[in-house]
Amino acid sequence: DGGITQSPKYLFRKEGQNVTLSCEQNLNHDAMYWYRQDPGQGLRLIYYSQIVNDFQKGDIAEGYSVSREKKESFPLTVTSAQKNPTAFYLCASSIMGSGNTIYFGEGSWLTVV
Amino acid sequence: GQQVMQIPQYQHVQEGEDFTTYCNSSTTLSNIQWYKQRPGGHPVFLIQLVKSGEVKKQKRLTFQFGEAKKNSSLHITATQTTDVGTYFCAGLSGAGSYQLTFGKGTKLSVIP
Repeated sequence: DGGITQSPKYLFRKEGQNVTLSCEQNLNHDAMYWYRQDPGQGLRLIYYSQIVNDFQKGDIAEGYSVSREKKESFPLTVTSAQKNPTAFYLCASSIMGSGNTIYFGEGSWLTVV
Repeated sequence: GQQVMQIPQYQHVQEGEDFTTYCNSSTTLSNIQWYKQRPGGHPVFLIQLVKSGEVKKQKRLTFQFGEAKKNSSLHITATQTTDVGTYFCAGLSGAGSYQLTFGKGTKLSVIP
């Protein structure tokens, strides 16, 4: 099946540890995104990438890092510098030039204790 | 930067009542999109509006894009329990832009 696969779906980590969330897509989309969702806050853009080996900061990039070594993959690392990392993280992708309709993965719940 | 305001934040309706959520942008949009997120799920694309004054319908859902391309609305006629979820609007500010700006969403509860 075509789509966006995020893993793991649930993740618990101790404070001070880095954690990497995986995102893979087989839709042949050029652009990929990471969003963070907190209750009542809607969706906030962390990072996005339009092509391989290139990415840009979104609105809340501090404490996060990404890489785009392959078109299909866009992993997100939540570093220990992120002050409030507990949240629901959504990976997404889109075809460039299609009005930017975004297709989301099922999300990853990260809880830092 | 671009801001997209969405109201109301929450709406509780009796099953069969109508529901409307409104979206306003601080800047003119090239298009606006609507997404639905079911409880525990991920946002799913519903529709995209591009033209000034455009109206589109999907069964009981009616979507409008304002004449000035700065506001939009989603109206659901005769809500059903399957309509429960959070509805987000998202605006694209201009040609060549790749950043959708999402509203904070309207969470709809339907009382059977």
